[in-house]
Amino acid sequence: GAVVSQHPSWVICKSGTSVKIECRSLDFQATTMFWYRQFPKQSLMLMATSNEGSKATYEQGVEKDKFLINHASLTLSTLTVTSAHPEDSSFYICSARGGGGNTEAFFGQGTRLTVV
Amino acid sequence: GENVEQHPSTLSVQEGDSAVIKCTYSDSASNYFPWYKQELGKRPQLIIDIRSNVGEKKDQRIAVTLNKTAKHFSLHITETQPEDSAVYFCAAIFHAGKSTFGDGTTLTVKP
Repeated sequence: GAVVSQHPSWVICKSGTSVKIECRSLDFQATTMFWYRQFPKQSLMLMATSNEGSKATYEQGVEKDKFLINHASLTLSTLTVTSAHPEDSSFYICSARGGGGNTEAFFGQGTRLTVV
Repeated sequence: GENVEQHPSTLSVQEGDSAVIKCTYSDSASNYFPWYKQELGKRPQLIIDIRSNVGEKKDQRIAVTLNKTAKHFSLHITETQPEDSAVYFCAAIFHAGKSTFGDGTTLTVKP
């Protein structure tokens, strides 16, 4: 399958700082990228959907000013957690999908964020 | 929007036995149903998928069945092995739209 690379794999940051997570599709053009958050022993909860060149669509309850998403190219999307707090600590995973009605999405390896 | 329910939440089987996980979905327009396996701290890995124009699909020890009328689909793992132990998620998708995931099933295969 296609390769999606997410970086960093883990990050520890101080409360109040911002953290940027990158999601890259390495061998295909990702017209759509999805960002998920997964708390321990829970399912993947969709945070937002981003299409290249347009604003992200956020799910209900997700603060768009806190979780900034940029999808500036067909191979890169970024998620920035601004003014992070301990409750933002979680596993963040991106997935990417190509165009043409292709339904299969490929996941990045995830980022473990710990806010102290 | 779509709602996906997954059962059971935990499943323990003896090595060599079969395991079955079931999911129901609410949106009849959903037409793609993937199953993912996720090991602790790692990304979900697609293990098998099925589209709405097919009733069953098999890949070695893994099979998926779909009942569009009843809006449910199931994952079947035969001859389970300890390395099958993981969390399994089902999902329902409509035409390249966003995926709605089930809550996951923690499968434990006892040697």
